[in-house]
Amino acid sequence: AQKITQTQPGMFVQEKEAVTLDCTYDTSDQSYGLFWYKQPSSGEMIFLIYQGSYDEQNATEGRYSLNFQKARKSANLVISASQLGDSAMYFCAMRGYNTDKLIFGTGTRLQVFP
Amino acid sequence: NAGVTQTPKFQVLKTGQSMTLQCAQDMNHNSMYWYRQDPGMGLRLIYYSASEGTTDKGEVPNGYNVSRLNKREFSLRLESAAPSQTSVYFCASSDIPFDSQETQYFGPGTRLLVL
Repeated sequence: AQKITQTQPGMFVQEKEAVTLDCTYDTSDQSYGLFWYKQPSSGEMIFLIYQGSYDEQNATEGRYSLNFQKARKSANLVISASQLGDSAMYFCAMRGYNTDKLIFGTGTRLQVFP
Repeated sequence: NAGVTQTPKFQVLKTGQSMTLQCAQDMNHNSMYWYRQDPGMGLRLIYYSASEGTTDKGEVPNGYNVSRLNKREFSLRLESAAPSQTSVYFCASSDIPFDSQETQYFGPGTRLLVL
């Protein structure tokens, strides 16, 4: 069975600092995809970044990067130069081989303070 | 281009009442999903539909039924609402080629309170 684990219920970071949100996963699939979503207080789910299991380079999207360590089965999200608007819930998710279905972690609530 | 729309946005029910949550997408996606989100639990899949005319159970299907009315619409029905079904419900759609970075697209959510 596939599983996503996010062990940090909440994180605090000062504005302009970098922060890492942890995500570990478990799967027996050889090919899979990893996603991060942001959910602000307004409730919508916003796609941030994707990492394919065969991608040799870590994914980056603007201030977001994904620290992918395949052997350790971890896919941590790094947010550089945090902004107040980054305060939100962040969810890690995984899609297995040949399926559209996503498995989500329980999320991490990030609070950015001035 | 509206993406994924859900109605209603908010609903209050009494225990035992029934209701249907509506979802529609205009992206011509084959796959559609219903999730519920509870505090500390993340999003859990209730039902999904890989194509028009097919539906399958997800992780937490008990107490729900679904209908894939056509390619655009996927509804979720609570026949006899219970307080344990108080949650935020998200509909999503996707059409993901293998090994693609395409994501699921989510609706804005429906907040349901069952008294």
